[in-house]
Amino acid sequence: GNSVTQMEGPVTLSEEAFLTINCTYTATGYPSLFWYVQYPGEGLQLLLKATKADDKGSNKGFEATYRKETTSFHLEKGSVQVSDSAVYFCALSDNPGRRALTFGSGTRLQVQP
Amino acid sequence: GAGVSQSPSNKVTEKGKDVELRCDPISGHTALYWYRQSLGQGLEFLIYFQGNSAPDKSGLPSDRFSAERTGGSVSTLTIQRTQQEDSAVYLCASSLAQGAGEQYFGPGTRLTVT
Repeated sequence: GNSVTQMEGPVTLSEEAFLTINCTYTATGYPSLFWYVQYPGEGLQLLLKATKADDKGSNKGFEATYRKETTSFHLEKGSVQVSDSAVYFCALSDNPGRRALTFGSGTRLQVQP
Repeated sequence: GAGVSQSPSNKVTEKGKDVELRCDPISGHTALYWYRQSLGQGLEFLIYFQGNSAPDKSGLPSDRFSAERTGGSVSTLTIQRTQQEDSAVYLCASSLAQGAGEQYFGPGTRLTVT
C-alpha cells in the first residue's frame, strides 16, 4: 500500500534559519506529490505540488523537488519567518481514479523571533 | 470565490447518539472527499465521491459511518450510535475531476463524543 513518512517534529528554528523537512514515500505507479500546511486554528491549505519526476514545486519561498530515484519530496525554505510556524503535511495521490490523498503524520514547525 | 464550507464547526454529542456533518464543496468541483484527523491516527481518508456516486468507500471505519451526496454538490456524513473513539476533526475536501488531484479543504467539524 501507499505510505508517506515525514521527519518527526517539532522542529524549532530561529527566524531566518534554513528549513528542511524530510519526506519519503512508497507508492505504486507514478504519484503526484503535495505539501499541505495547517496554520494554528486554520484548515489545511495546499502549499505546493509536483506531478512528475524532477518537477520542482514552489510557493511562498518554499520549494520541494520530486526525486523518483530516492522516493523523496523534501520541503525547503532558505529563510523562515515567525509566520511560517505551522504543521506541514506531505501527501501523495497515486491513482487518478481514486485520487484520495495519503498523508504523512505531519511536522510541527515553530519559528522563534 | 467561496471555498469549501462545513457545518457545524463544533459538535458535542453523547455516546450512542447519531450525528450529521455537512459539507458544501467549491462550485464546479465534481470530486468530494471526507477525511478524519485525530491525534492517534493522523489524517485518514474516509470516502470519495465523483458526482453523486461513491466509487471508493474503503476508508469508512465501520458500518456506523455512511455518507451521501445529492445534486453533485452538498454531502452529508452520518455517524450512527457514536462512540468516544469517533471524536476527531472531520475534514471535507473538493477538487476538479481532472488535474493533478490537488484538493481544497474546508475548516473541518470538530466532533466530541462524551
